[in-house]
Amino acid sequence: SQQGEEDPQALSIQEGENATMNCSYKTSINNLQWYRQNSGRGLVHLILIRSNEREKHSGRLRVTLDTSKKSSSLLITASRAADTASYFCASDPNAGGTSYGKLTFGQGTILTVHP
Amino acid sequence: ETGVTQSPTHLIKTRGQQVTLRCSSQSGHNTVSWYQQALGQGPQFIFQYYREEENGRGNFPPRFSGLQFPNYSSELNVNALELDDSALYLCASSLLPNTGELFFGEGSRLTVL
Repeated sequence: SQQGEEDPQALSIQEGENATMNCSYKTSINNLQWYRQNSGRGLVHLILIRSNEREKHSGRLRVTLDTSKKSSSLLITASRAADTASYFCASDPNAGGTSYGKLTFGQGTILTVHP
Repeated sequence: ETGVTQSPTHLIKTRGQQVTLRCSSQSGHNTVSWYQQALGQGPQFIFQYYREEENGRGNFPPRFSGLQFPNYSSELNVNALELDDSALYLCASSLLPNTGELFFGEGSRLTVL
């Protein structure tokens, strides 16, 4: 099945630095979401940005969306060792009430934050 | 904690066997989606159930089937297991009609020998 691409595949930084992850997707979307996964466990929803939004903030997270380029980026500011995890973008291609949630995930970025 | 629970957490099967994985949705959610995540990959959409009916299916063969019960819990059944079915199976619940935010369980890790 088609999956989006994420860049970089792995990112290693020091505590306090910013981490930027990029994502590209293939089809038109209703929204794009970012999830976090610790060590092969369940995914945790971080933030959702709709197709008519260009930027969104949540705490130390900043997400941008460029629908003309079919791309998004996730910025984590002032990173902490506890941010170490895999981060996935997920595109939701459908519009309409009962068609949400059939997400297409990227390959993920493995983020390591060194104390 | 998302309130979504999955069982079993780990299991080992042999090729050709059948497996049933179970999921209990977050309270108030009416939709369950199942995803397969192979090692080192992102999750892939298997199918979604909304009000006990299949509401979309990804690129998976018919030997992958599911059920959603009136209490919105769900099962994923896989018949004639193949080695490539070894993966983490993730259940996610959500509330439709609404945005597509999903609440995931911790997953069931299936190993097929």
